[in-house]
Order: sequence, then C-alpha cells, then structure tokens
Amino acid sequence: QVQLVQSGAEVKKPGASVKVSCKASGYTFTNYPMHWVRQAPGQRLEWMGWINAGNGNTKYSQKFQGRVTITRDTSASTAYIDLSSLRSEDTAVYYCASGAFLGIAWGQGTLVTVSS
Amino acid sequence: DVVMTQSPLSLPVTLGQPASISCRSSQSLVYSDGNTYLSWFQQRPGQSPRRLIYEVSNRDSGVPDRFSGSRSGTDFTLKISRVAAEDVGVYYCMQGAHWPPTFGQGTKVEIK
Repeated sequence: QVQLVQSGAEVKKPGASVKVSCKASGYTFTNYPMHWVRQAPGQRLEWMGWINAGNGNTKYSQKFQGRVTITRDTSASTAYIDLSSLRSEDTAVYYCASGAFLGIAWGQGTLVTVSS
Repeated sequence: DVVMTQSPLSLPVTLGQPASISCRSSQSLVYSDGNTYLSWFQQRPGQSPRRLIYEVSNRDSGVPDRFSGSRSGTDFTLKISRVAAEDVGVYYCMQGAHWPPTFGQGTKVEIK
C-alpha cells in the first residue's frame, strides 16, 4: 500500500538546522510531487514548499524562502526538507504529503522542537 | 496570501445526525483552467491529515458517501449526512488556486 515514512523526532537549539526525511513506497515516487506542510502547536496547517520528484524542480512559500531546501533521492524514493536558522517558532510537527493537492498520502509527521 | 476562514471552529454533533462545516475564501478559487481548487482534509485524533474531497465536490477513493462538498461563490461547505463515531476529528479546507496553498483554521467535530 502507499506509505510515507518520516524520520524521527528532533530537538535543536536556536540557530541550528534540521533535516527531515520522507521515504515513499507503494507507488512510483517520480510520478507525483512531494509537499511539506507543518503544524505548530494550536495553529493551522501551513504549507512550506514542494518538489517535483521527477525533475527535482522546487517551489517554496515566500515565508520560508532562504531558509528551506527540499531535495529528493530518486534511487531511495526519499524526499528531504532542510530548515536552517531555527527559532522557537519553528517548533512544529512537519509532514510530507504526496500527490497533486496532497491527495496520495501523508507521512506520520516528525516533531521538531527548537529549544535552548 | 488567500485567507481561508472556517466556521464553526467547534461542532458538537449527535451520532446519526447531519453536520455542516463552512469555509470562505478571501478570493475566487476558480483557476485559469476553469477548475476550482478547494479541498477538504480530515485529521482524526493522533493521526495525520488525509484528503476527503478535492475540487469542491469529488470524494477521494475510500471516502464514505456520507461526506459531500459544495460551493456557492466563495463559500464552500462540507456536509456529513449522518455522523459516525469515526468522524471525530478536525476538518480543514485548503485552497490550491493561488500560491501558496493555504488552509482554514480547522473545525473540531466531537460527539455530544
């Protein structure tokens, strides 16, 4: 079955970077875009960016431009999100979600905690 | 960014009774291709979101037919014809017509 499995929880200090992975299975990875969405405590879902898993093209929300990088490894059917210059407001659950308009599958979420 | 406003934010419902959630967009969600990119997502307690409805009224595979979506201008509605216990959770609308995609605040559905 279609599945997205994300890497485990992270605790980071302010100013550090974090990289979260998302491994896809059960479908052809390169056929669908991969999105990254986050959910801070008590906040609505927030879309961060996406990657065309086929050609590697990316597009980011302007809010995160300059701090976020989304990549993929087609041989491993895995997408990654790298967020730098972390601050306390980046504490959130980070989700990957595949398919146009996030309709194929979602990962289980990765909690990233930013704390000194 | 397009602002998506949901109401109510909390919805206590009786099992077997209907429920309705509204979502209003600050701009038209009709894209240049003629399609309207409004989706609904369900997030059950402790789970990741999953999409229920896309392009206003199309149910995703495996979604019970008690869920339906409709539109009137920039107002969108998700209806549950008869609420079941497994429908408890938070429901989000999302627009995909304008960059970046944006979500509503979420509506928490709980059983009375």
